[in-house]
Amino acid sequence: AQSVTQLDSHVSVSEGTPVLLRCNYSSSYSPSLFWYVQHPNKGLQLLLKYTSAATLVKGINGFEAEFKKSETSFHLTKPSAHMSDAAEYFCVVSLSGGYNKLIFGAGTRLAVHP
Amino acid sequence: EPEVTQTPSHQVTQMGQEVILRCVPISNHLYFYWYRQILGQKVEFLVSFYNNEISEKSEIFDDQFSVERPDGSNFTLKIRSTKLEDSAMYFCASRRDRGPLNSNQPQHFGDGTRLSIL
Repeated sequence: AQSVTQLDSHVSVSEGTPVLLRCNYSSSYSPSLFWYVQHPNKGLQLLLKYTSAATLVKGINGFEAEFKKSETSFHLTKPSAHMSDAAEYFCVVSLSGGYNKLIFGAGTRLAVHP
Repeated sequence: EPEVTQTPSHQVTQMGQEVILRCVPISNHLYFYWYRQILGQKVEFLVSFYNNEISEKSEIFDDQFSVERPDGSNFTLKIRSTKLEDSAMYFCASRRDRGPLNSNQPQHFGDGTRLSIL
């Protein structure tokens, strides 16, 4: 069975400092992994995706994530937080192939302070 | 950039009434999905739809729920007799065709419909 665990429900950083949002996954098959972001009263926007082509994945808005199979992790990072990064972030796993239903983590709420 | 659109943004309905949530997926997409997010809980998969039929559904998607693609553009979720516990944000998503190069295409989400059952 597949599952996703986001290790922090809330993360608070100062503007200009690095961001680390942690995610561990469990999958019996070769997974596709995604990070989505949800700003208040908005839908889910794709930040980046891992599809086995490269273990370090670059996304939009300066975010990147590294797939580490040995640690079953897919942590999201950004070198320097911006106020506009404040949002809820979801780590998501999907089976490759099939109809690709998404399994969501519980989400991490990122707060960015001036 | 094309996007998934959902209407209405907020729906308030009396318990026991039928409700239809509407979605217009991205035009060249062939796979369609509904998810829901109860306040304070995870986003949960409800159903996937391909080639005019349900391809997979969760245990949440019981006989009270149905989906339809009545024309070439709309994708609807109907709840036949709403219950208080159906109150949630409902998200529609769509994805491009699946193939050797497209098997990992991401799903694109709408902004959601907030359903409030009174």
